[in-house]
Amino acid sequence: EAQVTQNPRYLITVTGKKLTVTCSQNMNHEYMSWYRQDPGLGLRQIYYSMNVEVTDKGDVPEGYKVSRKEKRNFPLILESPSPNQTSLYFCASSSNGIAYEQFFGPGTRLTVL
Amino acid sequence: AQKITQTQPGMFVQEKEAVTLDCTYDTSDPSYGLFWYKQPSSGEMIFLIYQGSYDQQNATEGRYSLNFQKARKSANLVISASQLGDSAMYFCAMKPLYGGSQGNLIFGKGTKLSVKP
Repeated sequence: EAQVTQNPRYLITVTGKKLTVTCSQNMNHEYMSWYRQDPGLGLRQIYYSMNVEVTDKGDVPEGYKVSRKEKRNFPLILESPSPNQTSLYFCASSSNGIAYEQFFGPGTRLTVL
Repeated sequence: AQKITQTQPGMFVQEKEAVTLDCTYDTSDPSYGLFWYKQPSSGEMIFLIYQGSYDQQNATEGRYSLNFQKARKSANLVISASQLGDSAMYFCAMKPLYGGSQGNLIFGKGTKLSVKP
């Protein structure tokens, strides 16, 4: 089944404790992206990657890191999480090219205490 | 800078009636794509419809159609014959189709649609 998977789905952590949210897709998509969703703000892009070893900042990259060593994986790293990073996070992937919609993962709900 | 505006935080529609969800956008890119996504209460993001800025005709997908008015920079979603299962958040999104920032997909804040029986 074609899908984007994220792990964990739910995470409660404390300020400053490094964490990684994994994202994997099995559709051989070149493009992958991370978003955060907050009430009243919609989805905001954190980072995206057009292909392996190519990443770029979205609109809200501060406090986050990403890497794209393999085509299928695009982990999101929070080196020192803070309470303002409490949010719902989505990973997405698509083929490169015009008109291709993004396929979204199920989301990761992160709470930073 | 690119921007998507959805002016309706919430809307109600009677079952079986049509409803229009508004979306206006601002961009300096000559070529761009417009998307609509549905997010039910379960949380997943579901792609509904796509419109390219160069497309001459409005996009349609089943009960969904996109009323694209390029001069007015609007891309309204029309849902015909509303069903109870259409109750959800709806997001309008845009990205440039070429250039270095073509990966930068911008979302609006969403419209919560409630379908009444």
